[in-house]
Amino acid sequence: NAGVTQTPKFQVLKTGQSMTLQCAQDMNHNSMYWYRQDPGMGLRLIYYSASEGTTDKGEVPNGYNVSRLNKREFSLRLESAAPSQTSVYFCASRSRAPEEKLFFGSGTQLSVL
Amino acid sequence: GNSVTQMEGPVTLSEEAFLTINCTYTATGYPSLFWYVQYPGEGLQLLLKATKADDKGSNKGFEATYRKETTSFHLEKGSVQVSDSAVYFCALNGNQFYFGTGTSLTVIP
Repeated sequence: NAGVTQTPKFQVLKTGQSMTLQCAQDMNHNSMYWYRQDPGMGLRLIYYSASEGTTDKGEVPNGYNVSRLNKREFSLRLESAAPSQTSVYFCASRSRAPEEKLFFGSGTQLSVL
Repeated sequence: GNSVTQMEGPVTLSEEAFLTINCTYTATGYPSLFWYVQYPGEGLQLLLKATKADDKGSNKGFEATYRKETTSFHLEKGSVQVSDSAVYFCALNGNQFYFGTGTSLTVIP
């Protein structure tokens, strides 16, 4: 009964380094999301994927890329990390109508020095 | 467009006090409304939801009523406990989910 699993939980990067945040869900959901959470700003949508093979930009996509590898997995890549990307990142998946509930992973705390 | 505005915190209450966290929204159409809760070090969890006007969502003693006339979805609890200390997010589901900025609640014994 894993739900949404994110790795890693913590990461420290130097400016300019790259990394990929991994996310997988075992609930057979079509839609998956990546959010960042910053103090005083709530959750902001980075990218989402409505179904396998499709991805779309959210509110704050600059500096990120995503891959929907298959129905289960949705990864977020930082090609050249910047201090402004220091944040807590959450992956989520959404159940189908009529419930349409978001299920969240436990988050990745990323610091870019 | 769609947006959610919620009461800024932090909020500190004594145990057994009454809680209200205000939330108003702007939306096209008739979205579903949600309250999510985030405990320290964890992801968000659904607390309650309402899908249409005048619906009341409830869970764990928390309630919120979908008020179309005032575009509001205020969260209430009659008697808070220390274990309710968390960050609470109001959200709406249009074509995507839109979240408020979160309200931190601390309940002291």
